[in-house]
Amino acid sequence: KAGVTQTPRYLIKTRGQQVTLSCSPISGHRSVSWYQQTPGQGLQFLFEYFSETQRNKGNFPGRFSGRQFSNSRSEMNVSTLELGDSALYLCASSLDRGGGGELFFGEGSRLTVL
Amino acid sequence: QQQVKQSPQSLIVQKGGISIINCAYENTAFDYFPWYQQFPGKGPALLIAIRPDVSEKKEGRFTISFNKSAKQFSLHIMDSQPGDSATYFCAAQRGWQFYFGTGTSLTVIP
Repeated sequence: KAGVTQTPRYLIKTRGQQVTLSCSPISGHRSVSWYQQTPGQGLQFLFEYFSETQRNKGNFPGRFSGRQFSNSRSEMNVSTLELGDSALYLCASSLDRGGGGELFFGEGSRLTVL
Repeated sequence: QQQVKQSPQSLIVQKGGISIINCAYENTAFDYFPWYQQFPGKGPALLIAIRPDVSEKKEGRFTISFNKSAKQFSLHIMDSQPGDSATYFCAAQRGWQFYFGTGTSLTVIP
């Protein structure tokens, strides 16, 4: 069974540009969530989607957005990139059985903003 | 506001020693407390988890101790091995919402 796939794995952008990251969840998983990982800050929750609907959103500016498609694949977009957006962006999928559901993470997309 | 506070930020342990990582939470509505392990270049993966109606859960060398009244839980790694060197995240869950700690970088010295 294939795991969570994130593309691209690495990318370099300059300030002011925008970026789109893609996530393909495990087959059958309808919940997809996104996290930003930076040293010292741990995993910061960005947003979570279920059946194409955003159910929850973290405390990030509006430059961060996402969406989920009917096949559960998800994308996140960051516009007007800032140096502080440099981070590892992780996508996680789950079966969403309610409390106690395991998150399955991809290996992440490492974004560097110059 | 950090929903889950984790300490220490980094930990160095000799091979065969005990590694202890602590977490605290405020929201009593949390009903599931997992620990995730992350190796360099990989995404986090579920290591072990506990529900608040249990005070301890053990899986091999890994044990979660849970203190509901103190709103604290900890991960104990017995007989720590160099292969345990990784970053560990505690988390608290309510429904589909997860709140992660800031992570602990564990280094086990041979």
